[in-house]
Amino acid sequence: DTGVSQDPRHKITKRGQNVTFRCDPISEHNRLYWYRQTLGQGPEFLTYFQNEAQLEKSRLLSDRFSAERPKGSFSTLEIQRTEQGDSAMYLCASSLEMGLKTQYFGPGTRLLVL
Amino acid sequence: EDQVTQSPEALRLQEGESSSLNCSYTVSGLRGLFWYRQDPGKGPEFLFTLYSAGEEKEKERLKATLTKKESFLHITAPKPEDSATYLCAVYGDSSYKLIFGSGTRLLVRP
Repeated sequence: DTGVSQDPRHKITKRGQNVTFRCDPISEHNRLYWYRQTLGQGPEFLTYFQNEAQLEKSRLLSDRFSAERPKGSFSTLEIQRTEQGDSAMYLCASSLEMGLKTQYFGPGTRLLVL
Repeated sequence: EDQVTQSPEALRLQEGESSSLNCSYTVSGLRGLFWYRQDPGKGPEFLFTLYSAGEEKEKERLKATLTKKESFLHITAPKPEDSATYLCAVYGDSSYKLIFGSGTRLLVRP
């Protein structure tokens, strides 16, 4: 049984650099979500896909953030020109398409911007 | 605005000392309430889904209940391995995004 996987698990970068994270959802799940979590807070929604279509984006998602899900399988989240405020845990989740289904989360990618 | 508030922020229990965690929500029409457990440095692990007032779900030492304004996660005779952060979330109005509370950090001492 393979759950949601994310890569890398940890990333340290310097301010101004670009970073890209990958998420592989549970194989039969058509919906894929990205969240961001800072210390002591619950996850905050960033964006979600249904198959390859990006259907909703949060106001938190500035122009420096872009997400893709080519062919409706894995997804990537890119952050351009990173800032120290981008340091957080980036979580990916997936769910079945029909109705309001449970979202299953991956282990997360912890980003530290120096 | 849709909102989820969890209390207490932190809770320390002795092993075997039962207690309850609270999750109050403000959403125009509840379309699902979820409880997750999160261990340090890991992603949230799904525990329960509740859809309507009066609904209850149980798993081992955990029991989740739901009213029209809040949900409780009851922990009976907890063990040290129950120590974690417990997160509550609801689906936002007309959206497929989950809105999370800040969580309750539970520490169970042996």
